[in-house]
Parts: sequence; C-alpha cells; structure tokens
Amino acid sequence: DAMVIQNPRYQVTQFGKPVTLSCSQTLNHNVMYWYQQKSSQAPKLLFHYYDKDFNNEADTPDNFQSRRPNTSFCFLDIRSPGLGDAAMYLCATVTVGRGRIAEAFFGQGTRLTVV
Amino acid sequence: KNQVEQSPQSLIILEGKNCTLQCNYTVSPFSNLRWYKQDTGRGPVSLTIMTFSENTKSNGRYTATLDADTKQSSLHITASQLSDSASYICVVSASKAAGNKLTFGGGTRVLVKP
Repeated sequence: DAMVIQNPRYQVTQFGKPVTLSCSQTLNHNVMYWYQQKSSQAPKLLFHYYDKDFNNEADTPDNFQSRRPNTSFCFLDIRSPGLGDAAMYLCATVTVGRGRIAEAFFGQGTRLTVV
Repeated sequence: KNQVEQSPQSLIILEGKNCTLQCNYTVSPFSNLRWYKQDTGRGPVSLTIMTFSENTKSNGRYTATLDADTKQSSLHITASQLSDSASYICVVSASKAAGNKLTFGGGTRVLVKP
C-alpha cells in the first residue's frame, strides 16, 4: 500500500490561478519535504516541516506557501502560478530519531501544468 | 556548499550487461547516502541507504559501495534488464545537527537496449 500519497497526480491550472497540491502519509513521520523537479533536473527543496516547525529554503519564491495541519497531511499552495512553475512536485517524509537511520519515502509526485 | 555530483549524465547499455554509476559528494556533516531509482513521471524509489560505517550494500541486482574517506559512492547494476531504464539519483543526507537535509545529485539516466 502506498505510504506517501500525493493528490492529484496531474494538475492543470491557469496562469495566475491559485492551486493547492496535497500530500498525506500513513507513516507517522515527523519530517515532510516538498521538492520541485523540472524536466531532467534534480529535485530542488522548497521547504520542509520538522513536526510543526516550518523551514523555508532561502531561494524559495514567496509565491510558494505550505501548510501542515497535522502529522499526516501537508499542502503546497502556489498563490499565482506562472509558466515557470510547471514541474513535478514531490513530497517526501522522513522519520528522525535517536540512533535511527532516517529513511525517506517519496510520493508519486504531482505533475503541474500551467496554461 | 553541500554538493552531490553524479557521472555519467547518461548511459546506454545492452540488456544483460553490467554498468557502474558514480557519485561524489561534499555534504558535511555526513549522515547517510542513498541511491534512488526514478522512472519517468514517477517519484523516486529507494534502492539502498548506507551510513559512513557501511562499505557496501546490495538490493537484488543493485550493489552500492561507499568510501566515506574519499566521499565517493558507486551503484553497480548487474545483468541489466529493460526495466532498469530509469534515472538513478544519489542523495546524501546531512546529520541531524545540520537539519537532516537531503542533497540530490543530478542523476544518471540509464537506457537499457535489447
């Protein structure tokens, strides 16, 4: 069974129209990441939550916001999508604990198209 | 600056042949190194994860090695199959003190031909 679920798998949005991508996990992991991956490039970290603590990457545009209402869910909000925001968005979860190896699990991704 | 570099960028091999992918990193403080397989349009799937004390780890036909002294890792694919066609991504995790950040390599795109 999928442990990190992203919805939707494919999202088409209009230029400038707010869009929300969702990620849910059944692993009870305390860390959740959002990555942006453009074609043939490595994923780029946008931000991550360590429990409720939000950590934004310095070069993440203000256009990108995130919410984590509880351990299981995390949302990526793009306030005004531009053509350059078309990409695959990946959610990953990690569990961090004393002496444990932090395995990361990825969702299947949401492919965002901006028209 | 933490970096992960992979080589080659792309690779074409014949079905049944072996190949080796390279990963060099400068991430510090180091926690662990992972290799992922990413099929086109899908999320990465973990193949192996190694800490600094582990030199080699296998997962079926995939064998990863790690030299923490030289900060190099390799992923060896044995007897390649058509289904091995994918991008292989090396990801290095910083320690908890450094926020457990994952630094991704650019990936090696492998194409297995019959």
